[in-house]
Amino acid sequence: DAKTTQPPSMDCAEGRAANLPCNHSTISGNEYVYWYRQIHSQGPQYIIHGLKNNETNEMASLIITEDRKSSTLILPHATLRDTAVYYCILHGRGGSEKLVFGKGMKLTVNP
Amino acid sequence: NAGVMQNPRHLVRRRGQEARLRCSPMKGHSHVYWYRQLPEEGLKFMVYLQKENIIDESGMPKERFSAEFPKEGPSILRIQQVVRGDSAAYFCASSPSRGLETQYFGPGTRLLVL
Repeated sequence: DAKTTQPPSMDCAEGRAANLPCNHSTISGNEYVYWYRQIHSQGPQYIIHGLKNNETNEMASLIITEDRKSSTLILPHATLRDTAVYYCILHGRGGSEKLVFGKGMKLTVNP
Repeated sequence: NAGVMQNPRHLVRRRGQEARLRCSPMKGHSHVYWYRQLPEEGLKFMVYLQKENIIDESGMPKERFSAEFPKEGPSILRIQQVVRGDSAAYFCASSPSRGLETQYFGPGTRLLVL
């Protein structure tokens, strides 16, 4: 079972920042927070990951709270093509190699 | 650098036939993972392979399903005597090594069993 909790859905206006929350209160010290998304009928796409420091790449920013029990994925300027199901996943060093996908959160970007 | 390739993209089989799904990992990647996504559900891990070795098959159904990743050529997920419940999207992912490596996914094969 997934160890993360996400709201089932969220709407965002095109051009606005989308802030996607994720709770992972039972995270272990060696577990990273990974974000993937799945656009309809496509394979999952890697977005970003982090351990405890905030991370930024060309797609998004990841903010992890100091106690690491929650995080937020930020899409700074959402576009219609960002409409997808977003998955927050914990993946730990030394553990199983498999990714455990939960139900994710459906983000709908509206024009 | 080409991404993960999967073929066929769509596969239709009648009950009782065999389905063979192929996955070519990204260049330089020697680790392959297969996941299944049933309609309206999330992705579920099936099997993890390294060249010529099955590392973790904890998610594979006990019967009719097998996977291989030969020294040369793509990884193959084989489903024998398919049933309607096998209809799903099958995704392959690859990574360059074991451990905490990002997995990159292919476009998937959509299997429909009639």
